[in-house]
Amino acid sequence: AQSVTQPDIHITVSEGASLELRCNYSYGATPYLFWYVQSPGQGLQLLLKYFSGDTLVQGIKGFEAEFKRSQSSFNLRKPSVHWSDAAEYFCAVGNMRFGAGTRLTVKP
Amino acid sequence: SQTIHQWPATLVQPVGSPLSLECTVEGTSNPNLYWYRQAAGRGLQLLFYSVGIGQISSEVPQNLSASRPQDRQFILSSKKLLLSDSGFYLCAWAGTANEAFFGQGTRLTVV
Repeated sequence: AQSVTQPDIHITVSEGASLELRCNYSYGATPYLFWYVQSPGQGLQLLLKYFSGDTLVQGIKGFEAEFKRSQSSFNLRKPSVHWSDAAEYFCAVGNMRFGAGTRLTVKP
Repeated sequence: SQTIHQWPATLVQPVGSPLSLECTVEGTSNPNLYWYRQAAGRGLQLLFYSVGIGQISSEVPQNLSASRPQDRQFILSSKKLLLSDSGFYLCAWAGTANEAFFGQGTRLTVV
């Protein structure tokens, strides 16, 4: 069955620093992959999605993610983090299953 | 455009009381609908999903049930709440490529 793993429970970065959140998937074929963001007490918002084609996908809020079949990964990146990016981030596959989430803290 | 509504936003219920959380979707027909629970500091656990009226699939055995009485309505229920039912409940519908669109959630505290 399709599944995703987010190995980092909590990450802290300084404002202005670059960010990479890890996501590994388990699936024989090329899955549909997604990243979502959740602000405290809110529902989840779709950041970006990958179906096929170009392995580097751009999303909202300046985020991007790269699909790497050889590593079974779909890591989320942002070149320069803003304080407003502090939130919980979830990776998901196309069967509506989600990773455990990574909580991002941004230091001033 | 499609929108999804969940209510209430917060709920405090005593142990043993019944529960009914409602979710409705606008702007789409025959959506696949999902209920998730998010315990404090935990990920999203898929509880139920529905591909049509009256069709419910349960992911994990538990104290909760779901119903879909209308095409765009999805209800999460319990006859008797337990303390362990506390959490943040999220309803979602799936887009054409199974991207999820979420409601704002219901914070349930069982006391």
